[in-house]
Amino acid sequence: AQSVTQLGSHVSVSEGALVLLRCNYSSSVPPYLFWYVQYPNQGLQLLLKYTTGATLVKGINGFEAEFKKSETSFHLTKPSAHMSDAAEYFCVFNDYKLSFGAGTTVTVRA
Amino acid sequence: DAMVIQNPRYQVTQFGKPVTLSCSQTLNHNVMYWYQQKSSQAPKLLFHYYDKDFNNEADTPDNFQSRRPNTSFCFLDIRSPGLGDAAMYLCATSRDSSRKETQYFGPGTRLLVL
Repeated sequence: AQSVTQLGSHVSVSEGALVLLRCNYSSSVPPYLFWYVQYPNQGLQLLLKYTTGATLVKGINGFEAEFKKSETSFHLTKPSAHMSDAAEYFCVFNDYKLSFGAGTTVTVRA
Repeated sequence: DAMVIQNPRYQVTQFGKPVTLSCSQTLNHNVMYWYQQKSSQAPKLLFHYYDKDFNNEADTPDNFQSRRPNTSFCFLDIRSPGLGDAAMYLCATSRDSSRKETQYFGPGTRLLVL
């Protein structure tokens, strides 16, 4: 079965610092991977996705992720955190049905 | 803007009193999904429609039903809500069910059961 594991349920960063959210996947088929963000009491918004092609994927709000097959990873980064990045982030594997990681809560310190 | 709309955003119901949540979309997508999300958890798929074809998840309680009268609208009916059904309910759509397709989520309806 396909799955994703998010390392770290909570990440705290200072405003202006690097944001790094870790996601590893397990799959016997070519992976289709997504990162979604969820703000409090809101639905999920797509940040970016990897299907095929370029392994460095750029998304909205300055986020990007790199697909590394050798490491079975799809980590999400943003060079400089902003207060508005405080939210829940989900790494997701699509195997005709979405498999969600447990989520990582990001807090941003002023 | 094309979007997924959910009404109401907050719904309060009484224990055992039927409730209906609504979802509409202007994306003209073929697939519509309903998810349940409890506090501090990831969303859990309840069921989905591919056009008029209904697909129920094996572990979705019988208490949950859905209707899709046309392409644009989909409803979630909870026949006899229990306290454990209090959650955020998310509607999502996708163009088709292929693995590369993005699911677009609505803002959710938060259900409170008294």
